[in-house]
Amino acid sequence: GDSVTQMEGPVTLSEEAFLTINCTYTATGYPSLFWYVQYPGEGLQLLLKATKADDKGSNKGFEATYRKETTSFHLEKGSVQVSDSAVYFCALSPGGGGADGLTFGKGTHLIIQP
Amino acid sequence: NAGVTQTPKFRVLKTGQSMTLLCAQDMNHEYMYWYRQDPGMGLRLIHYSVGEGTTAKGEVPDGYNVSRLKKQNFLLGLESAAPSQTSVYFCASTREYEQYFGPGTRLTVT
Repeated sequence: GDSVTQMEGPVTLSEEAFLTINCTYTATGYPSLFWYVQYPGEGLQLLLKATKADDKGSNKGFEATYRKETTSFHLEKGSVQVSDSAVYFCALSPGGGGADGLTFGKGTHLIIQP
Repeated sequence: NAGVTQTPKFRVLKTGQSMTLLCAQDMNHEYMYWYRQDPGMGLRLIHYSVGEGTTAKGEVPDGYNVSRLKKQNFLLGLESAAPSQTSVYFCASTREYEQYFGPGTRLTVT
């Protein structure tokens, strides 16, 4: 079946450091890919998405590129802030449009120290 | 526009008790979902619905039932709670690609 693997945390960085959170996936067909963020005590919020190969999703300084050849969707940010501390989930939608539900990775806890 | 709301926010049950979690959305979305979140496991899909009156099983449906009598509501039921159902439950609804999540219900079964 479909699956998502992402680096496990916690990942601890200093403010203004460069961030990479790795995500790889296994899926049949042509899935859509997502990054969600969860702040303490809250539900998940969509951070960015990519619906086809070579698409780049971006939002709030975060970027991720859909790489079909390496089945990857790594999350990057050039300069992190303390407010970026949260849990980040990589996810895929096997049907592309999300109707059948999402398959999530286990989440990466990011801690940014001032 | 409240988005997706969940009731209750917290609940403690004894083994064998039953309860219903309520999810409501005011965005007129067709699709709705129930997930559970456990430490180190990410979110896993329990059941989902592609429209009023329809439901389907997700990855971990055992021990749960659902109903979608009205488009805006999606109910998750536990008929006989077990400690393994201690979790945080999230409801979501979707429009095209983005799923909108509720704030979650933290359930403890003792």
